[in-house]
Amino acid sequence: QSVLTQPPSVSGAPGQRVTISCTGSSSNIGADYGVHWYQQLPGTAPKVLIYANRVRPSGVPDRFSGSKSGTSASLTITGLQAEDEGDYYCQSYDSSLLWVFGGGTKLTVL
Amino acid sequence: EVQLVESGGGLVQPGGSLRLSCAVSGFTFSGFNMNWVRQAPGKGLEWISFIESTGRTIYYADSVKGRFTISRDNDNNSLYLRMNSLRAEDTAVYYCVRDGGLMDIWGQGTTVTVSS
Repeated sequence: QSVLTQPPSVSGAPGQRVTISCTGSSSNIGADYGVHWYQQLPGTAPKVLIYANRVRPSGVPDRFSGSKSGTSASLTITGLQAEDEGDYYCQSYDSSLLWVFGGGTKLTVL
Repeated sequence: EVQLVESGGGLVQPGGSLRLSCAVSGFTFSGFNMNWVRQAPGKGLEWISFIESTGRTIYYADSVKGRFTISRDNDNNSLYLRMNSLRAEDTAVYYCVRDGGLMDIWGQGTTVTVSS
């Protein structure tokens, strides 16, 4: 059971929009710690997709966006593409458990 | 080019030990905190250890506390993870990860399998 809760899977057709939620608590996301999102494509190491809730590193397409409100955060992907298929993880800091990840969400492009 | 290259993984029996290494290049290693993160087969990511840039501050996840030891050699740009009393549930890919305020650079991982 992960400290941060994500849906196990989401799916969408090419060109559509999907949103992945990440729900925490008052000891992590709600304590105003930043939320980061990582993309892990099949057979590869994770890479940063969004950091500090909504900031995109250079090279990440603006189809990816992040937001945070209260004890939750969201990753939204618009204009879904086949190469987006993979696993997505949220991560934050917890005042007791230190660095924590969500359980991961598998994105399937139909 | 920034690179983190892990090594030292392999097959080990339950109760055994292993030492992972991470060779760093492309940035000033001594200026960054570092982490080890693992991923069990078919599972999600699990943070297991942190070491501050000078090595003076160290943290562990409860799942490895007392069994694993993180260390670093800033003169040789290397990060280490000594793993003792290994269990089947320690089977995973182990990633060396730079901490630039977030886990911003990841190695390719090294696989540890604990089995008899």
